Amino acid sequence: GAGVSQSPRYKVAKRGQDVALRCDPISGHVSLFWYQQALGQGPEFLTYFQNEAQLDKSGLPSDRFFAERPEGSVSTLKIQRTQQEDSAVYLCASSLLAGDNEQFFGPGTRLTVL
Amino acid sequence: QKEVEQNSGPLSVPEGAIASLNCTYSDRGSQSFFWYRQYSGKSPELIMFIYSNGDKEDGRFTAQLNKASQYVSLLIRDSQPSDSATYLCAVEGGGTSYGKLTFGQGTILTVHP
Repeated sequence: GAGVSQSPRYKVAKRGQDVALRCDPISGHVSLFWYQQALGQGPEFLTYFQNEAQLDKSGLPSDRFFAERPEGSVSTLKIQRTQQEDSAVYLCASSLLAGDNEQFFGPGTRLTVL
Repeated sequence: QKEVEQNSGPLSVPEGAIASLNCTYSDRGSQSFFWYRQYSGKSPELIMFIYSNGDKEDGRFTAQLNKASQYVSLLIRDSQPSDSATYLCAVEGGGTSYGKLTFGQGTILTVHP
């Protein structure tokens, strides 16, 4: 079956623009995570969904970041008024059940803010 | 102090040697520990997880956990050039039950022929 997919794979935005990043998790996976990975660093947790409920958004760096998963499948991470420090790879991961051992990662979206 | 610390490397080993990757963590309540491999420009993929003190072996890989010392390691035996990648240590904790992971910065491993 298909893995986690993300789109777009690459996004270049001018500072101040809004962007929307999409994640399609593996079908039937309850848990969905967003991570931000800066160059040369490990992924950092942003937010977590269990089905459509956003149970943890403690990692979102500012109120410019917003995520949703309205029907419990596809998720969108939106960044308003992008800043240069938002440049990173945004990774989405899903797991079958809450607390599952393995999170399956998507290929990521590389965001560059000029 | 970072919650999960790794030596960023690069660690260079000859083909056929044992590569030893180390990780320390600060949260004593952490229960589950993971090693991910990430090839350049690719997404992380899970190699192994470990919960209990001691060793866990899977093929050429052995994970070692010492909760008293807050230390977890990954040994790669008979290293191959295809093992060249960044290895990420991740810890599940933070008082959640849903698998929130905290990653180290990763160790770059290069296996040279």
